[in-house]
Amino acid sequence: DGGITQSPKYLFRKEGQNVTLSCEQNLNHDAMYWYRQDPGQGLRLIYYSQIVNDFQKGDIAEGYSVSREKKESFPLTVTSAQKNPTAFYLCASSISPGFTDTQYFGPGTRLTVL
Amino acid sequence: EDQVTQSPEALRLQEGESSSLNCSYTVSGLRGLFWYRQDPGKGPEFLFTLYSAGEEKEKERLKATLTKKESFLHITAPKPEDSATYLCGGGATNKLIFGTGTLLAVQP
Repeated sequence: DGGITQSPKYLFRKEGQNVTLSCEQNLNHDAMYWYRQDPGQGLRLIYYSQIVNDFQKGDIAEGYSVSREKKESFPLTVTSAQKNPTAFYLCASSISPGFTDTQYFGPGTRLTVL
Repeated sequence: EDQVTQSPEALRLQEGESSSLNCSYTVSGLRGLFWYRQDPGKGPEFLFTLYSAGEEKEKERLKATLTKKESFLHITAPKPEDSATYLCGGGATNKLIFGTGTLLAVQP
């Protein structure tokens, strides 16, 4: 089955820790995205990558970092510089780069800061 | 400013009671309007992409339509399993703006 997987499903972080969220896709999609979802707000773009070894900041990139070493993988690191990291994190992918192609989402990771 | 507004914020229907959800947008250079369904604690599930005004797409009890200013998601004879949050997003060359969603509850 083709799809997007995210792990872990739940993640707990202590103050001052960096944590990494995994996102893998076997859809052979070129583009991948990370969003953050908070109650009462629309999905907000953190980072996106249109091709391997390239990525761009989204609207709320501060305190986050990413890498794209393989086409299938786009991990997100939430650093200690992110002031309010508790949220639901969603990874997505699309066949081609840009924001006019349908994006398909993974199941999400819920991050809680203790 | 680019914006996507969904209404109502929440909607409660009786099973079989048809209704529509609204997605108003002001996204410059819009080239795609996307609808998703999201269940609690899960990722959004893709429903429809609409590319031009006048376009319509259907899937089971759902029908999405698009005008130059808004999109509607019509739900015909809904069932309790249609209960979810419905998200819409407007895509242009360098951005995708999402609304905050409509929470739909269908009671048996």
